[in-house]
Order: sequence, then structure tokens, then C-alpha cells
Amino acid sequence: DGGITQSPKYLFRKEGQNVTLSCEQNLNHDAMYWYRQDPGQGLRLIYYSQIVNDFQKGDIAEGYSVSREKKESFPLTVTSAQKNPTAFYLCASSSGDRVRTEAFFGQGTRLTVV
Amino acid sequence: SQQGEEDPQALSIQEGENATMNCSYKTSINNLQWYRQNSGRGLVHLILIRSNEREKHSGRLRVTLDTSKKSSSLLITASRAADTASYFCATVPVSGGYQKVTFGTGTKLQVIP
Repeated sequence: DGGITQSPKYLFRKEGQNVTLSCEQNLNHDAMYWYRQDPGQGLRLIYYSQIVNDFQKGDIAEGYSVSREKKESFPLTVTSAQKNPTAFYLCASSSGDRVRTEAFFGQGTRLTVV
Repeated sequence: SQQGEEDPQALSIQEGENATMNCSYKTSINNLQWYRQNSGRGLVHLILIRSNEREKHSGRLRVTLDTSKKSSSLLITASRAADTASYFCATVPVSGGYQKVTFGTGTKLQVIP
């Protein structure tokens, strides 16, 4: 089945730790995105990548890092510099086509600081 | 405030009734999309309407777009309990690709069986 897979579903982080969230897609999409969702708010863009080995900061990139070494994978690291990391994280991908711009989302990772 | 603002924030209806949600935005768009999110899950794309379209249908969904008023509405007809979810509008600006999309804060729909 084609789709986008995030893991783990739940993640707990201690203060001062870095954690990495996984995102894999088999849709052959060029573009991938990471969003953060807080209660009662819309999605905010953290990072995006339009092609392998290239990525750009979104609106709230501070305290986060990414890599795009393979087309299928776009992992997000939440570093200790992110002061308020507890949130729901969503990964998405799209074809990158300017005409068909809908995105496909993973099921999300809920990160909690303990 | 955000580019896309949904109204109402929450809506509770009986099964079989119609549900209408509205989205207002501020800048010119290439297209507007509606997504659905079940509690604790990812977003699912429902429908995309381009700036030169006024109305679009998909099953029980009807979307309208009024670019002069910078607003869109999503109508779900004959609602079912399974339609219970949050619904988000997302606007893609004229100049950019999906990385420039802006999501609204969502309408939380509850359909009571």
C-alpha cells in the first residue's frame, strides 16, 4: 500500500535529550514536510524539503533539525534547544507539482516531555 | 491571525443533518483545500478547489469558493456519526507551492447518532 509512515506513535523525552522522529513515504513524492500541531491551533511548518539533499526552514525551525539523504525518508530531530517540544508532529509529502498540490499526511507522533 | 480562519470553531449536529463550515482568508490564492482530521490522527485530504472554480462536489461534500469575499464553505450533507472529526481549510498562495500553504485552526464537528 502506498502511503506515509511515521514512527513512533508516542514518544517521551527527558529534559535535555534529543529525539528523532521518523517519516518514510513510498509515494515517490519529491517534497516532504514537517508540521507541529498544538491544541486548538492549525498546523505550523517546521521544515520542508523539495528534493533530496536539500531542505529549508519553515516558520518555526528553531530547536529542530532535519536531513534528506533519501527520497523516501525525512527524519526530524527535536533538540534540547527546543524549549517547548510537547506537541503533535505531522509529516507530509506531496508530488511537488505546482498544479496538484494536495499533501498526504502520516498518522502523527505525539511527543511529550517528562 | 492566521491566513485561514474557520467558523464555527465547534459544531454539534444530529445524524442526518447537514453541516456547514466556513473558511476566510486574507491573501490571493492559487487553490484552497479542505482536510479532515480524526482525533489523534493525521490529516486526510478531502477536496481541492482552484481559484477559478466556484463550486466543487465530491460525494456528500460540496465546497464553494468566493474569491471576491475571500471565503470558502464546506457542506457535508446527510451527516453520519463517522463524520465526527476536525475539518481544516488550507490555502495555497498564488506565488508558492505547498510549502507556503497555511492551515486554519479548524472546525470541530460532532455528529450525534
